Amino acid sequence: QSALTQPASVSGSPGQSITISCTGTSSDIGGYDYVSWYQQHPGKAPQLMIYDVSNRPSGVSNRFSGSKSGNTASLTISGLQAEDEADYYCCSYAGSTVLFGGGTELTVL
Amino acid sequence: QVQLVQSGAEVKKPGASVKVSCKASGYTFARYAISWVRQAPGQGLEWMGCSRAYNGNTNYAQKFQGRVTMTTDSSTSTGYMELRSLRSDDTAIYYCARGTYDFFPWGQGTLVIVSS
Repeated sequence: QSALTQPASVSGSPGQSITISCTGTSSDIGGYDYVSWYQQHPGKAPQLMIYDVSNRPSGVSNRFSGSKSGNTASLTISGLQAEDEADYYCCSYAGSTVLFGGGTELTVL
Repeated sequence: QVQLVQSGAEVKKPGASVKVSCKASGYTFARYAISWVRQAPGQGLEWMGCSRAYNGNTNYAQKFQGRVTMTTDSSTSTGYMELRSLRSDDTAIYYCARGTYDFFPWGQGTLVIVSS
C-alpha cells in the first residue's frame, strides 16, 4: 500500500490559519475513523496532536483541529505561532497495517 | 508520567542483526501494544509493525515480513524489535510508541547505522 499524500510544504504568517491535507483511499482514511496527526521538531521524536480524526490529547492547544471528508483528512492550525514551525505527519489505520503521509514542512513566515 | 525509554545507538555491519529495546513506565504495560516506526535520514516516518502486550499478537508491514520480530515482556514492561539481514538502507532512527494505530507517547529514538 502507498503512503498517504500530503503537500511537501505550507507556510503562513503569525496569527493566520493554515490547513494541511492528507489524501488516501477508501481502504485507509475513507474506511476508518482512525486518522492521527503528529508534529515533529528537528531532532525530536514525533508528538501526537490529533487522534481519531478530530480528538486532541490532553495538553495539546485548541488551536489544532482535525477533520475528515471522504478519503481526505485535514489538520488546521489557527492563530499560527512561531513554535508551530515543524514537520507534520498524518497517519491512518488501514486494516492490518498503518500508513503515514510523506510529511509536510510548516514554515511560519 | 507515561514514558518510553529506548536503548542506545548501534553500529552494525551489513548482514548483521540489531535488537532495540523500549522500556515503558507510568501505565499498565499489559493493556497496550508497542509499535515501531522508523525514520531514515531526512525522510518521513515509516510504520514497521506492532506487538500487543495483552495477547502477544503481532502485525508487521509487508516490507519487513520475514526480517523483523517484535516482542513484549510484561514482567519487565519492555518491548523489543529485532531486525535481521541489515542493509545500508536500514540506517535510520527507530522509534517505539505506545498504541496500535495512534501513538502516544514515543520513545526518544534509537539510531541504527549500518555500514561496512
